[in-house]
This record gives sequence, structure tokens and C-alpha cells, in this order.
Amino acid sequence: SAVISQKPSRDICQRGTSLTIQCQVDSQVTMMFWYRQQPGQSLTLIATANQGSEATYESGFVIDKFPISRPNLTFSTLTVSNLSPEDSSIYLCSVEVGQSTDTQYFGPGTRLTVL
Amino acid sequence: AQKITQTQPGMFVQEKEAVTLDCTYDTSDPSYGLFWYKQPSSGEMIFLIYQGSYDQQNATEGRYSLNFQKARKSANLVISASQLGDSAMYFCAMREGRGYQKVTFGTGTKLQVIP
Repeated sequence: SAVISQKPSRDICQRGTSLTIQCQVDSQVTMMFWYRQQPGQSLTLIATANQGSEATYESGFVIDKFPISRPNLTFSTLTVSNLSPEDSSIYLCSVEVGQSTDTQYFGPGTRLTVL
Repeated sequence: AQKITQTQPGMFVQEKEAVTLDCTYDTSDPSYGLFWYKQPSSGEMIFLIYQGSYDQQNATEGRYSLNFQKARKSANLVISASQLGDSAMYFCAMREGRGYQKVTFGTGTKLQVIP
């Protein structure tokens, strides 16, 4: 498995501002994933971040709204820009570990509330 | 069509009893992986168990076992000897293909363990 930390654990932000979420892993990983979980909903993949290249975004998610950085093999950031109340969600990063199982392990999540 | 279907929005189980959480999946890829995650009210996603499409035996991890019926495309989670701490949301998920592929999550089942 992997130990993953996220900062901040929660935040309350004003409409129109931005929040940057950090994800740190205790080992080097090739791919990192960012998910959104809206209230009462399941997880939706935002993008996949590979070190040294631009992130790959899923349908419905764009780089201007969710810019991602991946400066090295243990760290990534997700910024949620121009916040609106609809962005209130839990944001989770994950990494894939295990050559045979390719299991994704998740960080503790960042709970964002937009007023 | 939904790739992962969890038909039980909520379940109750008596403490110390066993409970089965249903999951069916849809894929035409012969290589896939099935996962179950637990999400307590704190929001973190905890990996429970993995089943590969080529695995001959049902996966087991402590009190968790996966009832894998490939022909029926079902991957039900069985929790034996339920504990109060098992109260949480449970998500079934699937990855099609191998390595760094998108993981699709079901809508989840909320399990409540009754003392």
C-alpha cells in the first residue's frame, strides 16, 4: 500500500476564489489521480496526472477550472478555480500500487465548502 | 449503461451477523479488476478487497470476502461478524484492462450496524 496525505483536510471558501489542494505520497508513483465526490454521490475522476507531462482530463473537466501540477514522483496539486457553491465536494487524490492488482489507494480527502 | 450497479442504497445488519452487499458489473474486456472500498463519515476511502477477472478463487481479507460469480457478472461483498465500526458507505469499483486505467465506481451502499 501507500501512505497518502492531503492538505488542507477541509476548507471554507468564498465564491470566486480558488483553492489549491496538495497530495503527498510516501513513495514514488508514476500516476496520480484526482477525484471529486459531490454530496451524497459517488466518486468521479477529474484527471490523471503523470510526472513530467500535462494531466489528462475526463469529459466534463477542463484545465482552466482544475489546473493540476505534478512536479515530481511523490507530489501533486489540484487547484479548483473560480469557486462556486456547486464545487462544494470532497476532493480525493489516489495512487495506483501493486504490480498484480493495480489497486488505487486514496488520501484522506479534502472537504471543500463554497459559500 | 452503468458499468457498476449497486442496487441497495441502504442496508441494516445486526451486530455480529453477516451481511452481503450486492454489486454487478458490465464489461466486454476479458481483463478487469474489481474492488470494494469503505468510506466512513470522515470521508476517507479505505481499500478493502480486490478480485481479478482471472482469479480462480474468491478473494478474502479477514472478515471480508468477495463472492465472485463471473458468468453472472456479480462481485458481492460479504462481511462476517459485523461490528459497529463497519457502519459506513461501501463502494464497488471496476478497472478495465491492466495498469493505469480508469476506475469506475458504483453509487454505493450505506450500511448501518445495529447493536
